[in-house]
Amino acid sequence: QVQLVESGGGVVQPGRSLRLSCAASGFTFSSYDMHWVRQAPGKGLEWVAVIWYDGSNKNYADSVKGRFTISRDNSKNTLYLQMTSLRAEDTAVYYCARTDCSGGSCPLWGWGQGTLVIVSS
Amino acid sequence: EIVLTQSPGTLSLSPGERATLSCRASQSFSSNYLAWYQQRPGQAPRLLIYGASGRAPGIPDRFSGSGSGTDFTLTISRLEPEDFAVYYCHHYGSSPPFTFGPGTEVDIK
Repeated sequence: QVQLVESGGGVVQPGRSLRLSCAASGFTFSSYDMHWVRQAPGKGLEWVAVIWYDGSNKNYADSVKGRFTISRDNSKNTLYLQMTSLRAEDTAVYYCARTDCSGGSCPLWGWGQGTLVIVSS
Repeated sequence: EIVLTQSPGTLSLSPGERATLSCRASQSFSSNYLAWYQQRPGQAPRLLIYGASGRAPGIPDRFSGSGSGTDFTLTISRLEPEDFAVYYCHHYGSSPPFTFGPGTEVDIK
C-alpha cells in the first residue's frame, strides 16, 4: 500500500541546518508532485513547499523562501527538505504529502506520519 | 495570496447531529481547487473532499462538500464518534502559496 515515511527530525540549535527525508513506497513516486506541510505544536497546518514530479519546478511559502530547499531523488523514491538558518518558529511536525498529478494543481491525497523538528538552544 | 477563514472555530455537537462547517476565501477562485481534510488527535491529516464536492475514496457519504467562488461548506450529515476531530479547508490552485484555513474543531457536546 501507499506509504510515506519521514525521518531526520530532532532538536537543533537556532541558525543550524537539518535535512528531512521522506521515503515513498507503494506508488510510482516519479509520476507525482510532492509537498511538505508543517504543523507547529497545537497549531494548524502550514503549507511549506512543492516540487513537481520531475523536479523541474519548485515553490515555497514566503516564511521559508531562501532558507529551505525541496528536492527529490526519483531513483531512490525519496523526497527531501533541506532546512538552513533554522529559527524557533520553524519548530513543528513536518509532513510529506503526495498528490495524484504531475505538474498541476492537486489536493494532498496521502500523508506521512510526520517528523518533529524542535529548534531550541 | 488567498487567505482562508473558517468558522466557527469550535463546533460543539452530539453524535447523530448535523455539522456544517464554513470556509471563506479572501478572493474568488475555481472550486476545482478547494479541499477539506480531517485530522484526528495524534494523527496525520486525511483528505476528505477535493474539487469542493468530490469525495475521496473510502470517505463515508455522510461527508459532503459544496460551494463556489469565495464560500465553501463541509457538511457531516450525522456525526459518528470518530468524526470528532479538526477539519481544515485548503486552496491548491494554480498559484502558490497553497494555503490552509485555521481549522474548525468539532467536539463532543
